Amino acid sequence: QLQLQESGPGLVKPSETLSLTCTASGDSIRTSSYYWAWIRQSPGKGPEWIGSIYYTGSSYSKPSLKSRVTISVDTSKNQFSLKLSSVTAADTAIYYCARHIEPGYFDYWGQGSLVTVSS
Amino acid sequence: QSALTQPASVSGSPGQSITISCTGTSSDIGGYNYVSWYQQHPGKAPKLLIYDVTNRPSGVSDRFSGSRSGNTASLTISGLQVEDEADYYCCSYTSDSSWLFGGGTKLTVL
Repeated sequence: QLQLQESGPGLVKPSETLSLTCTASGDSIRTSSYYWAWIRQSPGKGPEWIGSIYYTGSSYSKPSLKSRVTISVDTSKNQFSLKLSSVTAADTAIYYCARHIEPGYFDYWGQGSLVTVSS
Repeated sequence: QSALTQPASVSGSPGQSITISCTGTSSDIGGYNYVSWYQQHPGKAPKLLIYDVTNRPSGVSDRFSGSRSGNTASLTISGLQVEDEADYYCCSYTSDSSWLFGGGTKLTVL
């Protein structure tokens, strides 16, 4: 059974870069059928897809966030990561990693990691 | 790009059926067979209920069903149970190669 676990700082200062890592266990992220996604959810709002990556490193992201988003993968550690630059208070959210059955849906989710942007 | 439109809340009694709507456009819901639905209990991650408009993953109760008419997708829950009380979100692939979620619907089981 696949399990995903997010990790990273819970507090980031405005204008700095948010960094999170998702570690997969129970399955390899090198599986050819899947992409791996980052999704966030601000308090009281619906989820927001940030971007997805294939194990080869091919990635794509939400157009409105694209200039600030970097998604990378480390297959040797069975991990993928998110970097979001120039953060503001609007980036405060719970960040989830998920398995992405491209193109259609997200079937396994991590438990989420709360990131607060504040000085 | 605005979120897909869902009613803020719906309610029903145990044993009843309810339907949650999700309205988009021809650039998302109406244009692709990639509508999914998620259930989220407080403090938990979303759980996949329906994918590709009508399909249920293994392990999801057949009380949950999905459908679509034009630019509106719907989730129907039959035989409501107390444990169905949660937030529900729709999601659709869009014409700019991204995924768009709804604003969410809070289901109260009276």
